[in-house]
Amino acid sequence: DAKTTQPNSMESNEEEPVHLPCNHSTISGTDYIHWYRQLPSQGPEYVIHGLTSNVNNRMASLAIAEDRKSSTLILHRATLRDAAVYYCILSADRGSTLGRLYFGRGTQLTVWP
Amino acid sequence: SQTIHQWPATLVQPVGSPLSLECTVEGTSNPNLYWYRQAAGRGLQLLFYSVGIGQISSEVPQNLSASRPQDRQFILSSKKLLLSDSGFYLCAWQNTGELFFGEGSRLTVL
Repeated sequence: DAKTTQPNSMESNEEEPVHLPCNHSTISGTDYIHWYRQLPSQGPEYVIHGLTSNVNNRMASLAIAEDRKSSTLILHRATLRDAAVYYCILSADRGSTLGRLYFGRGTQLTVWP
Repeated sequence: SQTIHQWPATLVQPVGSPLSLECTVEGTSNPNLYWYRQAAGRGLQLLFYSVGIGQISSEVPQNLSASRPQDRQFILSSKKLLLSDSGFYLCAWQNTGELFFGEGSRLTVL
């Protein structure tokens, strides 16, 4: 399985933008990039996913490097509720085995008021 | 809308005792279902996944087993718990493009 590398932790102030990086230098051409986040004592929550083009949704934006060896999750205005562990994951299969997502340790985001 | 439920939410079990965690999904049919485990301070480890009734794939050989007796029911079991089985167990189901997780079951083995 293609691996991802993320910083262990990051900090931000409330209402400031946050850029969470992820390196995936061994990504293959068919790997999708997924982001999930996990609040304390809860299951992970889907944030966003993409393949090649940048993606936007109501929660965040995903910027994918042209060579696809890295990506950045962008929270445009951090709130205290965004404090969570953020996971960057690769999945080679969008079909029946999509759920075989392998979560690393992610990035712990701390948001200061 | 689709929902996923897990129970029990919390349990404390002695070493050597059996385990049964249950997960059910509502509002969808023939979902792909998954069991993950998260040890304290660690990432999520995929344990089992199922693409249909009676179809179970194991990711990690261990003290646990899974069964899918009905389309929307997924059960995680153990005959004899070990201390290392302690953790936060999460059931998930798959929709196109997204994985949806249950509330989790926190198991402490003493």
